[in-house]
Amino acid sequence: GAVVSQHPSWVICKSGTSVKIECRSLDFQATTMFWYRQFPKQSLMLMATSNEGSKATYEQGVEKDKFLINHASLTLSTLTVTSAHPEDSSFYICSALRDRTPPEQYFGPGTRLTVT
Amino acid sequence: AQTVTQSQPEMSVQEAETVTLSCTYDTSESDYYLFWYKQPPSRQMILVIRQEAYKQQNATENRFSVNFQKAAKSFSLKISDSQLGDAAMYFCAFITQGGSEKLVFGKGMKLTVNP
Repeated sequence: GAVVSQHPSWVICKSGTSVKIECRSLDFQATTMFWYRQFPKQSLMLMATSNEGSKATYEQGVEKDKFLINHASLTLSTLTVTSAHPEDSSFYICSALRDRTPPEQYFGPGTRLTVT
Repeated sequence: AQTVTQSQPEMSVQEAETVTLSCTYDTSESDYYLFWYKQPPSRQMILVIRQEAYKQQNATENRFSVNFQKAAKSFSLKISDSQLGDAAMYFCAFITQGGSEKLVFGKGMKLTVNP
């Protein structure tokens, strides 16, 4: 199957700082990527849909000024958590949509963010 | 509203036995795809099996098969000859074709495989 990478896999940052997470589709071009957040023992919660060359579409309740998403190329989307607080600590997962029939989503390995 | 319901939060199975994970969903769309994803302790999401709603034949992938009942909006996963490596969280999901193309996930079910 296709490969999606995320970097970093684990990051600790201090409260008030910003942290950027990268998501790359390594062997296909992805017009659309998705960012999820997952709390322990829970399902994936979609935060936003990232579209190459246009603004991201955020799900209801997700602060777009806190979670900045940039999809600058067909293989890279970034999520920046701005002015991070301890409550932003979570597991963040990205996925890339391979545009075929049926559509296929490939998931990155996730990034564990800890805000101290 | 589009929803996925996994009513059993946890299940266990003996190694080499068979287990069935249940899933029901709700959508008003007629064209969609159903998935089972596995999330082992590494937390990497892995696609287990996929079913196209327009296909009557149930999908199979080695030890994994589904029972797709479109009228009942039911999509269960059967794991045969369970192995220790099957222990994971399992998520049922679907995506509509021509809609938002966002995966709709269930809450997940934790499967334990006992040796």
